[in-house]
Amino acid sequence: AQSVAQPEDQVNVAEGNPLTVKCTYSVSGNPYLFWYVQYPNRGLQFLLKYITGDNLVKGSYGFEAEFNKSQTSFHLKKPSALVSDSALYFCAVRDIKAAGNKLTFGGGTRVLVKP
Amino acid sequence: AAGVIQSPRHLIKEKRETATLKCYPIPRHDTVYWYQQGPGQDPQFLISFYEKMQSDKGSIPDRFSAQQFSDYHSELNMSSLELGDSALYFCASSAQGRATEAFFGQGTRLTVV
Repeated sequence: AQSVAQPEDQVNVAEGNPLTVKCTYSVSGNPYLFWYVQYPNRGLQFLLKYITGDNLVKGSYGFEAEFNKSQTSFHLKKPSALVSDSALYFCAVRDIKAAGNKLTFGGGTRVLVKP
Repeated sequence: AAGVIQSPRHLIKEKRETATLKCYPIPRHDTVYWYQQGPGQDPQFLISFYEKMQSDKGSIPDRFSAQQFSDYHSELNMSSLELGDSALYFCASSAQGRATEAFFGQGTRLTVV
Protein backbone atom coordinates (compact mmCIF):
# COMPACT_ATOMS: atom_id res chain seq x y z
CA ALA A 1 0.00 0.00 0.00
CA GLN A 2 1.14 3.54 -0.65
CA SER A 3 0.45 6.50 1.60
CA VAL A 4 1.45 10.09 2.12
CA ALA A 5 1.51 12.19 5.26
CA GLN A 6 1.55 15.95 5.46
CA PRO A 7 2.02 16.65 9.16
CA GLU A 8 1.02 20.32 9.08
CA ASP A 9 -2.53 21.39 8.37
CA GLN A 10 -1.42 24.98 7.90
CA VAL A 11 1.82 26.87 7.45
CA ASN A 12 2.03 30.60 8.03
CA VAL A 13 4.92 32.58 6.63
CA ALA A 14 5.71 36.24 6.03
CA GLU A 15 6.17 37.39 2.46
CA GLY A 16 9.81 37.19 1.43
CA ASN A 17 10.63 34.49 3.97
CA PRO A 18 11.47 30.90 3.06
CA LEU A 19 8.57 28.49 2.79
CA THR A 20 8.71 24.78 3.57
CA VAL A 21 5.83 22.32 3.30
CA LYS A 22 6.57 18.88 4.70
CA CYS A 23 5.71 15.53 3.18
CA THR A 24 6.61 11.97 4.08
CA TYR A 25 5.62 8.89 2.16
CA SER A 26 5.34 5.14 2.48
CA VAL A 27 5.60 2.70 -0.40
CA SER A 28 6.61 -0.92 -0.71
CA GLY A 29 8.82 -0.24 -3.70
CA ASN A 30 10.40 2.96 -4.95
CA PRO A 31 8.34 6.12 -5.21
CA TYR A 32 7.41 8.57 -7.85
CA LEU A 33 6.61 11.77 -5.94
CA PHE A 34 4.59 14.80 -6.96
CA TRP A 35 3.53 18.16 -5.61
CA TYR A 36 0.31 19.89 -6.60
CA VAL A 37 -1.20 23.24 -5.65
CA GLN A 38 -4.91 23.98 -5.43
CA TYR A 39 -6.49 27.42 -5.42
CA PRO A 40 -10.08 27.87 -4.18
CA ASN A 41 -12.66 26.13 -6.36
CA ARG A 42 -9.99 25.11 -8.85
CA GLY A 43 -8.42 21.89 -9.96
CA LEU A 44 -5.02 20.72 -8.82
CA GLN A 45 -2.07 22.21 -10.67
CA PHE A 46 1.09 20.21 -11.08
CA LEU A 47 4.20 21.85 -9.57
CA LEU A 48 7.00 19.31 -9.78
CA LYS A 49 7.92 15.65 -9.57
CA TYR A 50 10.73 13.35 -8.50
CA ILE A 51 11.31 10.28 -10.61
CA THR A 52 14.98 9.48 -10.35
CA GLY A 53 18.36 11.17 -10.36
CA ASP A 54 19.16 14.41 -8.59
CA ASN A 55 17.48 14.62 -5.20
CA LEU A 56 16.74 18.32 -5.63
CA VAL A 57 13.96 18.91 -8.10
CA LYS A 58 13.02 22.31 -9.46
CA GLY A 59 9.52 23.10 -10.57
CA SER A 60 7.09 25.84 -11.48
CA TYR A 61 6.83 29.28 -9.86
CA GLY A 62 10.20 29.02 -8.10
CA PHE A 63 9.30 25.95 -6.09
CA GLU A 64 11.70 23.10 -5.47
CA ALA A 65 11.59 19.89 -3.49
CA GLU A 66 14.20 17.65 -1.96
CA PHE A 67 13.89 13.89 -2.04
CA ASN A 68 15.39 12.15 0.97
CA LYS A 69 15.21 8.40 0.72
CA SER A 70 16.52 7.65 4.20
CA GLN A 71 13.89 9.89 5.77
CA THR A 72 11.23 8.98 3.19
CA SER A 73 10.53 12.67 2.75
CA PHE A 74 9.85 15.01 -0.13
CA HIS A 75 9.55 18.51 1.35
CA LEU A 76 8.47 21.39 -0.84
CA LYS A 77 10.44 24.61 -0.57
CA LYS A 78 10.50 28.11 -1.88
CA PRO A 79 13.31 30.51 -0.93
CA SER A 80 11.14 33.62 -0.90
CA ALA A 81 7.37 33.27 -0.53
CA LEU A 82 4.84 35.53 -2.23
CA VAL A 83 1.34 36.42 -1.06
CA SER A 84 0.08 34.76 -4.24
CA ASP A 85 1.56 31.45 -3.03
CA SER A 86 -1.25 31.24 -0.49
CA ALA A 87 -3.10 28.06 -1.45
CA LEU A 88 -3.59 24.41 -0.58
CA TYR A 89 -0.65 22.15 -1.34
CA PHE A 90 -0.84 18.41 -1.85
CA CYS A 91 1.94 15.87 -1.96
CA ALA A 92 1.25 12.67 -3.91
CA VAL A 93 2.97 9.35 -4.43
CA ARG A 94 2.84 6.55 -6.93
CA ASP A 95 4.53 3.27 -6.06
CA ILE A 96 6.69 2.10 -8.95
CA LYS A 97 6.00 -1.54 -8.19
CA ALA A 98 2.32 -1.35 -7.33
CA ALA A 99 -0.30 -2.65 -9.71
CA GLY A 100 -2.29 0.12 -11.31
CA ASN A 101 -1.22 3.71 -11.61
CA LYS A 102 -3.21 5.68 -9.07
CA LEU A 103 -1.80 8.70 -7.30
CA THR A 104 -2.32 8.77 -3.57
CA PHE A 105 -2.55 12.21 -2.01
CA GLY A 106 -1.66 13.51 1.39
CA GLY A 107 -4.15 15.43 3.48
CA GLY A 108 -3.00 18.78 2.16
CA THR A 109 -1.31 21.75 3.80
CA ARG A 110 -2.80 25.20 3.65
CA VAL A 111 -0.17 27.88 3.13
CA LEU A 112 -0.89 31.41 4.20
CA VAL A 113 1.64 34.04 3.18
CA LYS A 114 1.13 37.34 4.97
CA PRO A 115 2.26 40.67 3.49
CA ALA B 1 -2.31 24.22 -24.42
CA ALA B 2 -5.34 21.98 -24.20
CA GLY B 3 -6.38 20.96 -20.72
CA VAL B 4 -8.68 18.41 -19.17
CA ILE B 5 -12.28 19.43 -19.73
CA GLN B 6 -15.02 18.46 -17.30
CA SER B 7 -18.71 19.00 -17.64
CA PRO B 8 -20.84 20.20 -16.11
CA ARG B 9 -18.98 22.53 -13.76
CA HIS B 10 -21.84 22.57 -11.30
CA LEU B 11 -24.66 20.11 -10.75
CA ILE B 12 -27.50 20.08 -8.26
CA LYS B 13 -29.43 16.86 -7.78
CA GLU B 14 -31.97 15.56 -5.32
CA LYS B 15 -31.49 12.48 -3.19
CA ARG B 16 -32.01 9.21 -5.04
CA GLU B 17 -31.50 10.86 -8.41
CA THR B 18 -28.78 9.96 -10.88
CA ALA B 19 -25.95 12.08 -12.25
CA THR B 20 -23.48 11.72 -15.09
CA LEU B 21 -20.17 13.56 -15.07
CA LYS B 22 -18.10 13.82 -18.22
CA CYS B 23 -14.37 14.17 -18.72
CA TYR B 24 -12.41 14.92 -21.86
CA PRO B 25 -8.69 14.21 -21.35
CA ILE B 26 -5.79 16.05 -22.87
CA PRO B 27 -5.25 14.85 -26.47
CA ARG B 28 -2.99 11.79 -26.70
CA HIS B 29 -3.35 11.05 -23.00
CA ASP B 30 -4.38 7.45 -22.57
CA THR B 31 -5.06 7.31 -18.84
CA VAL B 32 -7.98 8.89 -17.03
CA TYR B 33 -8.47 9.13 -13.27
CA TRP B 34 -11.48 10.12 -11.19
CA TYR B 35 -11.14 11.64 -7.73
CA GLN B 36 -13.66 12.81 -5.16
CA GLN B 37 -12.81 15.71 -2.87
CA GLY B 38 -15.11 16.44 0.03
CA PRO B 39 -15.09 19.81 1.81
CA GLY B 40 -11.72 20.33 3.48
CA GLN B 41 -10.56 16.89 2.39
CA ASP B 42 -7.79 15.58 0.18
CA PRO B 43 -8.72 14.04 -3.16
CA GLN B 44 -9.80 10.44 -2.78
CA PHE B 45 -9.09 8.12 -5.68
CA LEU B 46 -12.17 6.50 -7.20
CA ILE B 47 -11.14 4.73 -10.37
CA SER B 48 -8.81 4.94 -13.36
CA PHE B 49 -8.74 3.72 -16.94
CA TYR B 50 -5.90 2.98 -19.29
CA GLU B 51 -6.65 2.50 -22.97
CA LYS B 52 -10.36 2.17 -22.23
CA MET B 53 -9.86 -0.60 -19.70
CA GLN B 54 -10.22 -0.17 -15.95
CA SER B 55 -6.70 -0.10 -14.55
CA ASP B 56 -7.18 0.65 -10.88
CA LYS B 57 -10.05 0.89 -8.45
CA GLY B 58 -10.23 2.83 -5.24
CA SER B 59 -13.01 3.75 -2.87
CA ILE B 60 -15.73 3.96 -5.47
CA PRO B 61 -19.19 3.07 -4.14
CA ASP B 62 -21.14 0.33 -5.86
CA ARG B 63 -23.73 2.97 -6.79
CA PHE B 64 -21.13 4.58 -9.02
CA SER B 65 -19.80 3.29 -12.31
CA ALA B 66 -17.46 4.68 -14.90
CA GLN B 67 -16.16 3.91 -18.32
CA GLN B 68 -13.79 5.25 -20.92
CA PHE B 69 -14.99 5.44 -24.49
CA SER B 70 -13.28 4.90 -27.82
CA ASP B 71 -12.49 8.61 -28.11
CA TYR B 72 -10.87 8.41 -24.63
CA HIS B 73 -13.44 10.57 -22.91
CA SER B 74 -14.77 9.17 -19.68
CA GLU B 75 -18.05 9.32 -17.82
CA LEU B 76 -18.76 8.80 -14.14
CA ASN B 77 -22.30 7.61 -13.52
CA MET B 78 -23.72 8.06 -10.06
CA SER B 79 -27.04 6.56 -9.02
CA SER B 80 -29.20 6.68 -5.89
CA LEU B 81 -27.46 9.86 -4.86
CA GLU B 82 -27.01 10.54 -1.18
CA LEU B 83 -26.33 13.79 0.66
CA GLY B 84 -22.83 12.52 1.39
CA ASP B 85 -22.04 12.38 -2.31
CA SER B 86 -21.88 16.17 -2.38
CA ALA B 87 -18.30 16.95 -3.30
CA LEU B 88 -15.95 18.17 -5.98
CA TYR B 89 -15.29 15.47 -8.55
CA PHE B 90 -12.04 15.76 -10.43
CA CYS B 91 -10.96 14.05 -13.55
CA ALA B 92 -7.30 13.87 -14.45
CA SER B 93 -5.40 12.48 -17.39
CA SER B 94 -1.84 11.43 -18.04
CA ALA B 95 0.26 10.06 -20.83
CA GLN B 96 1.48 6.50 -20.75
CA GLY B 97 3.95 5.61 -18.04
CA ARG B 98 4.05 5.70 -14.26
CA ALA B 99 6.58 8.53 -14.24
CA THR B 100 4.16 10.94 -15.86
CA GLU B 101 2.22 13.45 -13.88
CA ALA B 102 -1.54 13.68 -13.97
CA PHE B 103 -3.19 16.87 -15.16
CA PHE B 104 -6.44 17.78 -13.47
CA GLY B 105 -9.60 19.35 -14.77
CA GLN B 106 -11.43 22.16 -13.01
CA GLY B 107 -13.78 19.72 -11.37
CA THR B 108 -17.52 19.25 -11.17
CA ARG B 109 -19.15 20.46 -7.99
CA LEU B 110 -22.01 18.13 -7.20
CA THR B 111 -24.55 19.20 -4.62
CA VAL B 112 -27.14 16.69 -3.50
CA VAL B 113 -30.15 18.22 -1.75
